[in-house]
Amino acid sequence: GENVEQHPSTLSVQEGDSAVIKCTYSDSASNYFPWYKQELGKRPQLIIDIRSNVGEKKDQRIAVTLNKTAKHFSLHITETQPEDSAVYFCALSWTGLTGGGNKLTFGTGTQLKVEL
Amino acid sequence: KAGVTQTPRYLIKTRGQQVTLSCSPISGHRSVSWYQQTPGQGLQFLFEYFSETQRNKGNFPGRFSGRQFSNSRSEMNVSTLELGDSALYLCASSPGQVNSANEKLFFGSGTQLSVL
Repeated sequence: GENVEQHPSTLSVQEGDSAVIKCTYSDSASNYFPWYKQELGKRPQLIIDIRSNVGEKKDQRIAVTLNKTAKHFSLHITETQPEDSAVYFCALSWTGLTGGGNKLTFGTGTQLKVEL
Repeated sequence: KAGVTQTPRYLIKTRGQQVTLSCSPISGHRSVSWYQQTPGQGLQFLFEYFSETQRNKGNFPGRFSGRQFSNSRSEMNVSTLELGDSALYLCASSPGQVNSANEKLFFGSGTQLSVL
């Protein structure tokens, strides 16, 4: 089945710096790669996602890159702000599920702290 | 639109008991997924329901079960509770189409279950 490793587990950056979180996976059939942000005590929220037919996707200060050959995808946050402090989870899925559906495998999370 | 609603917010049970958690999806959403979140294991997929049928299943023992009603509301049940079942149980809804896959998930705030 799918497996995903996420690094680093904690990341501390200065406000205004960039942050990069990387996930690697093993199943080449994986073709959907979302990223979720979970603030302390709150629900996970989708911040960006990418599908396997695209190599990069950007949304304001957030970008995701996908390297299918090397089987890794990364989240890039530029010009970090204190409100970016949260736990970030990568996830993946594939459309080979019989009958379709939604079944995500999550990474273990990265605690991002943006310091003033 | 109201978001995904989970009840109760907190539960305390003792070993051997059973528990039922409830999830009301966003109006119009037909797919409901359940995830278990623990500090050590992260988010793990339990199962997904669509049109009152279990469409996908994770790797949890049979003590974990669920169902979905005609109005798309879903319940999950855990029987013979064990200490290791202590976790935050999250449900997520998505629009849901027949044979659709990899839809954006909208999470509820979760039910925090403590087993003593």
